[in-house]
Amino acid sequence: DGGITQSPKYLFRKEGQNVTLSCEQNLNHDAMYWYRQDPGQGLRLIYYSQIVNDFQKGDIAEGYSVSREKKESFPLTVTSAQKNPTAFYLCASSSVYSSYNEQFFGPGTRLTVL
Amino acid sequence: GQQVMQIPQYQHVQEGEDFTTYCNSSTTLSNIQWYKQRPGGHPVFLIQLVKSGEVKKQKRLTFQFGEAKKNSSLHITATQTTDVGTYFCAGGDSNYQLIWGAGTKLIIKP
Repeated sequence: DGGITQSPKYLFRKEGQNVTLSCEQNLNHDAMYWYRQDPGQGLRLIYYSQIVNDFQKGDIAEGYSVSREKKESFPLTVTSAQKNPTAFYLCASSSVYSSYNEQFFGPGTRLTVL
Repeated sequence: GQQVMQIPQYQHVQEGEDFTTYCNSSTTLSNIQWYKQRPGGHPVFLIQLVKSGEVKKQKRLTFQFGEAKKNSSLHITATQTTDVGTYFCAGGDSNYQLIWGAGTKLIIKP
């Protein structure tokens, strides 16, 4: 089955620790995205990548870092510099060649920083 | 910067009543997409509208894209409990990015 996987589903970390969230897709999509969602809020773009070895900052990139070494993988690191890291993190991918550039989302990771 | 405003933030309806959510963009959009997020879940793509004045239907859901390609609406007729969730609009720009509305949460009154 094609899709996007994110792991883990729930993650707990102590304040001051860096944590890396995994995102893998087997849809052969070029573009991948990371969003943050706070309770009762919409989606805010953290980083996006349209091609391997290249990525761009979104609206709220401060305190986060990403890498795109493989087409299938786009891990997100939440660093200790992120002031309020507790949130629901969603990874998505899309094709840049389709006229329908809808985004496909993974199940998300709920990060809680204690 | 570009913004997409979505209203209302919440809508409480009795089962069987209609529901509507509206989106307005500060700029002309190349397309508009609609997503549904069930409680505890992730957004799922519903539809994309591309043409000025376009109207599309999916069973009880009707989607419209304004003539100026700056506004859109989603109307659900005779809501059911399975419709519960948050509905997001997202405007497409020329760089394959989506500008997300804040979402409208549909709540069915018991």
